[in-house]
Amino acid sequence: DVKVTQSSRYLVKRTGEKVFLECVQDMDHENMFWYRQDPGLGLRLIYFSYDVKMKEKGDIPEGYSVSREKKERFSLILESASTNQTSMYLCASSLQGNYEQYFGPGTRLTVT
Amino acid sequence: GEDVEQSLFLSVREGDSSVINCTYTDSSSTYLYWYKQEPGAGLQLLTYIFSNMDMKQDQRLTVLLNKKDKHLSLRIADTQTGDSAIYFCAPHNDYKLSFGAGTTVTVRA
Repeated sequence: DVKVTQSSRYLVKRTGEKVFLECVQDMDHENMFWYRQDPGLGLRLIYFSYDVKMKEKGDIPEGYSVSREKKERFSLILESASTNQTSMYLCASSLQGNYEQYFGPGTRLTVT
Repeated sequence: GEDVEQSLFLSVREGDSSVINCTYTDSSSTYLYWYKQEPGAGLQLLTYIFSNMDMKQDQRLTVLLNKKDKHLSLRIADTQTGDSAIYFCAPHNDYKLSFGAGTTVTVRA
């Protein structure tokens, strides 16, 4: 079975802090994704990576950056956290050419 | 980008059928997925349908696709308490999936 893990289930940070969210998958998937999930809005794509060191902006990239130095690991970075970034963050991965995505359990981030 | 619309809530009695509806805007979507999210968990793939199909059945799940109207539905037969969750419709669009807001299904005894 594909396993996608995220570094924390719950995280509380202060406004202005730099925040790192990490995602690791163990199935050698080429594609990795970061979403945020908010009530009534569903999942919105922040960034996407189709290969090591490659990244593409999703629908809401502002205020975020990403890093993919190794195939299995995809990091989401909030350079200066703000309260409107309080949300559930979900990581997913998929095989190249396969649209089915496998999700991690999510990180609930609260910025105070 | 693609717009995906779902009703937000559905309440159903245990043992009845649930029907969750979804409309989307991009007619070029080739695969259309249904995901389930249980409380406190990530999303798990339930089923999918390819765009050249009208219907797909998988045990208690039936997916219907009306491509002309861009309407997708998920029917859960004999709904159980373990089916209480948020259900997301997700058509494939370019390299990514577009998610609806999710339908929260509550199963009452």
